[in-house]
Amino acid sequence: ETGVTQTPRHLVMGMTNKKSLKCEQHLGHNAMYWYKQSAKKPLELMFVYNFKEQTENNSVPSRFSPECPNSSHLFLHLHTLQPEDSALYLCASSQQPGLQETQYFGPGTRLLVL
Amino acid sequence: GDSVTQMEGPVTLSEEAFLTINCTYTATGYPSLFWYVQYPGEGLQLLLKATKADDKGSNKGFEATYRKETTSFHLEKGSVQVSDSAVYFCALSSGNNRLAFGKGNQVVVIP
Repeated sequence: ETGVTQTPRHLVMGMTNKKSLKCEQHLGHNAMYWYKQSAKKPLELMFVYNFKEQTENNSVPSRFSPECPNSSHLFLHLHTLQPEDSALYLCASSQQPGLQETQYFGPGTRLLVL
Repeated sequence: GDSVTQMEGPVTLSEEAFLTINCTYTATGYPSLFWYVQYPGEGLQLLLKATKADDKGSNKGFEATYRKETTSFHLEKGSVQVSDSAVYFCALSSGNNRLAFGKGNQVVVIP
């Protein structure tokens, strides 16, 4: 499945670093999402973008800053992270937000904060 | 709020055995229900979905029926293969653009 790609696949960063995660979808979708997957916890929705506009921020700390320059690209800018932010960050897209819309996921970026 | 509950703990079974993973939900309104699968080192893939009561979703030998009366969406497969080893997530969408996920179940199929 190459509909949604994410780079890098793995990232190690110190707490003072600044890094960015990139997501690109090749499905012609209009909605994009960031999720956080931590061990032994359900997937947590972080942000939702619809037609490049942020429509949801699920009380995410400001050290995570999303950017959506167009409907195909989504970034997550990281700065001054904490060790507890170590997780798998998943990007997803759907045709549009909605009740019956299927979300398609990328492979994720495995982040380790030292 | 909306939530999904999956049975606790990993599931280990032998090849060709019958698989059941329980999923129950709490939601206002009429949610859509999904099963996603995550193979090692990969993201989540949609396995099947159902959008209204009594609908049955099916794919790759897996089935799940949307049971409104019991608020359940249990996943079943009649004969598992080693390649079915993965983590399975139940999820619901209730119209506010959110997918609520269960914690997932690790399934290990032994040859």
